[in-house]
Amino acid sequence: ETGVTQSPTHLIKTRGQQVTLRCSSQSGHNTVSWYQQALGQGPQFIFQYYREEENGRGNFPPRFSGLQFPNYSSELNVNALELDDSALYLCASSFRDIYGYTFGSGTRLTVV
Amino acid sequence: KQEVTQIPAALSVPEGENLVLNCSFTDSAIYNLQWFRQDPGKGLTSLLLIQSSQREQTSGRLNASLDKSSGRSTLYIAASQPGDSATYLCAVTGNTGKLIFGQGTTLQVKP
Repeated sequence: ETGVTQSPTHLIKTRGQQVTLRCSSQSGHNTVSWYQQALGQGPQFIFQYYREEENGRGNFPPRFSGLQFPNYSSELNVNALELDDSALYLCASSFRDIYGYTFGSGTRLTVV
Repeated sequence: KQEVTQIPAALSVPEGENLVLNCSFTDSAIYNLQWFRQDPGKGLTSLLLIQSSQREQTSGRLNASLDKSSGRSTLYIAASQPGDSATYLCAVTGNTGKLIFGQGTTLQVKP
């Protein structure tokens, strides 16, 4: 059973650019969630996808968008990057939320 | 609005000591509570998952309890080791399906 894999592991972008982060969910999982974790803080919920549909969103602006594909993998897109977008981005997958979530190793995004 | 608090924010103990990490939440209408471990700059590793109908879960030297009515959970670590040094996060899941995290407790176990 493979776990959750995220790519890339590290990324440096310039303010105003766009970025795409990728996540492959654990085998058998149909729900993918994305979280942003600033240094020294707990992760904050960005949004969740279930069977290719967004079914929950946190307090993030529309320039944060996502996709889920038929194989349940997912992308997080961020447009018009700002310095405050610098954070660790975590992807988590689940079969059903009552069974808990499995997290990937994260993508460290630095905006300069 | 659900809020999760973890106390203390940081803890330093000598090797071999038993310790307790605390987590509290404001809304008792949760599906489950999950404890995670995070090493510096890394992702989250799930330690224990407690369903709302359960009182505790155990895995090796770890024991987590849940008192839903009082909005509290504890993570008990027995016979701590330097390898236990990490940040421990608790998170609750409600009917929205999203995880709401506390700020974490950073644990240092000294040899």
